[in-house]
Amino acid sequence: GQNIDQPTEMTATEGAIVQINCTYQTSGFNGLFWYQQHAGEAPTFLSYNVLDGLEEKGRFSSFLSRSKGYSYLLLKELQMKDSASYLCAVVDSNYQLIWGAGTKLIIKP
Amino acid sequence: IAGITQAPTSQILAAGRRMTLRCTQDMRHNAMYWYRQDLGLGLRLIHYSNTAGTTGKGEVPDGYSVSRANTDDFPLTLASAVPSQTSVYFCASSALADRNEQFFGPGTRLTVL
Repeated sequence: GQNIDQPTEMTATEGAIVQINCTYQTSGFNGLFWYQQHAGEAPTFLSYNVLDGLEEKGRFSSFLSRSKGYSYLLLKELQMKDSASYLCAVVDSNYQLIWGAGTKLIIKP
Repeated sequence: IAGITQAPTSQILAAGRRMTLRCTQDMRHNAMYWYRQDLGLGLRLIHYSNTAGTTGKGEVPDGYSVSRANTDDFPLTLASAVPSQTSVYFCASSALADRNEQFFGPGTRLTVL
């Protein structure tokens, strides 16, 4: 079967750095997305990785290792507005998105 | 406005009733999707459409039907609602059907009693 694993919940302090991990086992791989979802709102796109390595975009970076079936999202200089759920999704061999259950990130002052 | 709209925002429905959730996008995207999101579970794909005139089944299609008569609209119909269909429903679209970023509508919160 296809499986995406993420921690259910994480807590971090304002101004700090947090890394949210995602491991996957899917039928094929055609890319990995990270989305942010604030409570009661729709998911919004953060990043896309298809090749191994780190993609940096402002305070957010995303890393991919295809050989390990592993990705992480790194958030720097945390702000209270970063409190949200972070969703990992993998594009499988049929070009369908397989979604993880999401990681709820709680930021404390 | 640019983006995706969904209607209604929320709905309480009696079991056995028929219900259509509406979704419209104005980005001229080819592909559209319907997901349901339940607490503790990831987004689950119900149905999708890679282009106008075609539809396909996702992970959890039973009890739902869709149509794609034109590029902009992708309604989702529950023929006879059951309590297990209580969920938040998101419509999404992408320029193409592969590897493209999906844009999501604001969601419809549906409660079936």
